[in-house]
Amino acid sequence: NAGVTQTPKFQVLKTGQSMTLQCAQDMNHNSMYWYRQDPGMGLRLIYYSASEGTTDKGEVPNGYNVSRLNKREFSLRLESAAPSQTSVYFCASLIGLDTQYFGPGTRLTVL
Amino acid sequence: LAKTTQPISMDSYEGQEVNITCSHNNIATNDYITWYQQFPSQGPRFIIQGYKTKVTNEVASLFIPADRKSSTLSLPRVSLSDTAVYYCLVGPPSGGYQKVTFGTGTKLQVIP
Repeated sequence: NAGVTQTPKFQVLKTGQSMTLQCAQDMNHNSMYWYRQDPGMGLRLIYYSASEGTTDKGEVPNGYNVSRLNKREFSLRLESAAPSQTSVYFCASLIGLDTQYFGPGTRLTVL
Repeated sequence: LAKTTQPISMDSYEGQEVNITCSHNNIATNDYITWYQQFPSQGPRFIIQGYKTKVTNEVASLFIPADRKSSTLSLPRVSLSDTAVYYCLVGPPSGGYQKVTFGTGTKLQVIP
């Protein structure tokens, strides 16, 4: 039981490049989330998926797309990376408010 | 989730009890109060949840007054390892399917 896994752990991109952050959970949770956390700031919700086949915008969705491939996997795509997207990205899955589990994070730098 | 307000930061000396208050004036009848802790470079982790009065576990206590419009997370005798950001969330306790946002949290700095 690995919980929530994210790949890659670190990534450096040039402005305009694209990439996909992968997230998978093995806890059979319905809901999955992508957050970003800038240095010294709180978590901000990018997108979430309440259940397989559905996705919804969070607080800061611009510049991102998501895919809920199946119940286990929820990916986040940056189509054209910008320096403002330099951040740590966390994926999470949840059954209830007391059972939200987070992945280890992806540190992304956009030059 | 209901809107919450917490202090942005707090400092405390080692060994002291720390109380972090969260205001949630618009809490709904079926909402619970949930606190998460986030260490640097890690994702948040659940520490305590309650509905009313007092809840205690091995990590913290949660005090909720009768009107439930605020709550207080209490950390007994803090150590340097309690330096973290603490988030207060207010919403239905189960079922997922929710837009879960964390806000800015309270950054607790424990001083030697």
